Amino acid sequence: EDQVTQSPEALRLQEGESSSLNCSYTVSGLRGLFWYRQDPGKGPEFLFTLYSAGEEKEKERLKATLTKKESFLHITAPKPEDSATYLCAVRGPGNMLTFGGGTRLMVKP
Amino acid sequence: DTEVTQTPKHLVMGMTNKKSLKCEQHMGHRAMYWYKQKAKKPPELMFVYSYEKLSINESVPSRFSPECPNSSLLNLHLHALQPEDSALYLCASSQDLRPETQYFGPGTRLLVL
Repeated sequence: EDQVTQSPEALRLQEGESSSLNCSYTVSGLRGLFWYRQDPGKGPEFLFTLYSAGEEKEKERLKATLTKKESFLHITAPKPEDSATYLCAVRGPGNMLTFGGGTRLMVKP
Repeated sequence: DTEVTQTPKHLVMGMTNKKSLKCEQHMGHRAMYWYKQKAKKPPELMFVYSYEKLSINESVPSRFSPECPNSSLLNLHLHALQPEDSALYLCASSQDLRPETQYFGPGTRLLVL
C-alpha cells in the first residue's frame, strides 16, 4: 500500500526565513511525485511534478527536489502570501494519487 | 477557460434530506473526480469517471451516488447522510488520467446535521 508522510504538520516562519518541508513516501513503482498548494476553503493548486531521483523544479521562491525515499519543498525568503497548506502526493501503478497529510505553513510579516 | 466550478459553495442538510452537488468544466477534459476532504486532512479519492463511465469507486457508501450526464458535468447525489459525512467535497478534472493535468474546483463545504 502506498504511503506518504509529510513533516512538519505545521510550520511558522518569519518573513524572509527560509526553510524546507519534507515528504517521505513508500510506493511500489513511483510514477510521479506531486506538490500542491491549498488555501483554506479552496481546492489544491498544482505546483510541481517530479519523476526521478535527482530531479529538481523551481517556481519563484519554491524549489522541489526528489530522492528515492523523499522529496523536499524548499521555500526561500518566504512572504506572508506563501502561507497555505502544502500537499505532497504520489502516483503509483494504479495511476491514482495518494496524498500526504500536508504541512500548514504560516509566514508572519 | 481553465476553471472547474462547483455549486453550491456551502450546503447544510439534515440526515433525511436528498441533495446534489454539481461540478462543471469546459476544458474538454475526459476524466472527472470526486474527492472528500475532512478538516486538516488530505483529499481522499471517492470516484473517477473516464469518458463518462465510472472507472473507480473507492468503496464509497451507497448514500453517495455519482452521475456523469455528459463530458462537462459531474454530479454527486446525497441521501441519508450521517454527521460524519460533513466535509469539503472537491471535484477535479483532467485531460487524461495523469494527475499533473488535474484541475481542482473550489469545493462544496457540506454540513450534515
